[in-house]
Amino acid sequence: KNQVEQSPQSLIILEGKNCTLQCNYTVSPFSNLRWYKQDTGRGPVSLTIMTFSENTKSNGRYTATLDADTKQSSLHITASQLSDSASYICVVSGGGSQGNLIFGKGTKLSVKP
Amino acid sequence: EPEVTQTPSHQVTQMGQEVILRCVPISNHLYFYWYRQILGQKVEFLVSFYNNEISEKSEIFDDQFSVERPDGSNFTLKIRSTKLEDSAMYFCASARRDTEAFFGQGTRLTVV
Repeated sequence: KNQVEQSPQSLIILEGKNCTLQCNYTVSPFSNLRWYKQDTGRGPVSLTIMTFSENTKSNGRYTATLDADTKQSSLHITASQLSDSASYICVVSGGGSQGNLIFGKGTKLSVKP
Repeated sequence: EPEVTQTPSHQVTQMGQEVILRCVPISNHLYFYWYRQILGQKVEFLVSFYNNEISEKSEIFDDQFSVERPDGSNFTLKIRSTKLEDSAMYFCASARRDTEAFFGQGTRLTVV
C-alpha cells in the first residue's frame, strides 16, 4: 500500500535553533518527492520538489534530502524563525497524474522565542 | 505573484443542502484539482481536471460530487446533498504542467 510516514508528529524548538524532519515512503512507482509548508487554516505552499536523481535541494533556510534507495527524505531547517511555525508535509508523487500524490500527515513545528 | 483564489473562505450549510465551492486558478494553468483535508487528518485527493474533463478521481469523489469549469476562469466543486462527514477544508490547486501544483487558501466547509 502506498504510504508516506512522517516523524516526529510534532516538534517544539527555540528560535534560532536548527531542526530536521523525517519522511519515509513506500510509494511505487516513484516520480518525485515534495515538501510543503502549511500554515494553520491555509493551503500548502511548496518548498522543494526532488526527482529520483536528486539527493539534495535547498530553498533558503530549507534543505531537503532524498535517498531513493532507502525511500527516505528529510527536511532541515536552519536558524529557525517564529514564522517557521507550521505543519510541514511530505508528499510523494507516484507518477502519471497529480492525482497520484500521496500526502503524509505532516509534522507540526512550533518555534518559540 | 499569481495565486489560486478560493471563495468563500468559510461556508456553513445544513445537512442535505447543495454547496458550490469556487476557485479561480492561475490564468495560464491547464490542470486543475480539488483536495480536501478533514480536521486533524492529511490532505486527500478528490479529482483532477484537464482539457474540460475529469482526468482522474478518487473513491471519495462519488456521485454527490461534480466539478465544472463554466467559463475561462472559474473552476467549481459542487456537493449535491451534503453530509456531516463532508465537513473539511477543501483546497483547489492548479498547475501549468502535470507536476507541481499551486494550492489556494482553502474553503472551510462546515455541515451542521
